Amino acid sequence: DAMVIQNPRYQVTQFGKPVTLSCSQTLNHNVMYWYQQKSSQAPKLLFHYYDKDFNNEADTPDNFQSRRPNTSFCFLDIRSPGLGDAAMYLCATSGGGYSNQPQHFGDGTRLSIL
Amino acid sequence: QKEVEQDPGPLSVPEGAIVSLNCTYSNSAFQYFMWYRQYSRKGPELLMYTYSSGNKEDGRFTAQVDKSSKYISLFIRDSQPSDSATYLCAMSASDNNDMRFGAGTRLTVKP
Repeated sequence: DAMVIQNPRYQVTQFGKPVTLSCSQTLNHNVMYWYQQKSSQAPKLLFHYYDKDFNNEADTPDNFQSRRPNTSFCFLDIRSPGLGDAAMYLCATSGGGYSNQPQHFGDGTRLSIL
Repeated sequence: QKEVEQDPGPLSVPEGAIVSLNCTYSNSAFQYFMWYRQYSRKGPELLMYTYSSGNKEDGRFTAQVDKSSKYISLFIRDSQPSDSATYLCAMSASDNNDMRFGAGTRLTVKP
């Protein structure tokens, strides 16, 4: 089945130690998103790619970076994680560019900071 | 005021009950409305996707949109224990795919 796959499902890192989360998709969608979701809160959009065009949300911390080497893969890099960055990180994709196709999510990576 | 308001619950109902979940919003530009179901430790799963005002039915699920009141609803008929999850409403405007979520309503259906 076509899907959005996130690895790893659980990630533990130390305060200040860089970490990379990955997302791959078999849907061939041209838009990919990264969200941060904290407990009992709505997912918060960090950034998205329209093909190779990167779009950063205004309030996304500089600590967060992203790479999209090809259509299928997207990475979230957290350069110096703080305790406040512990959360579920969700990757989503949508097709059809900005024609308002619904977003399809992976199962997320739960990040813990020691 | 948040752009999308959703009662977080928790909501607990007996098996077989009709469940009503609701969201209100403030941005009149929203045209596309979605409901996602999120099980514990999983990603959101798209349940319903509607455009503008009106009703849409899919099995036991019915989505309603009232743009004049800026109010959307999801009804679940004959609720089952497997419906126990957090339900997130989401919406976007017509000129972009920037989706705004509600905080989610946690639903428990008791056998």
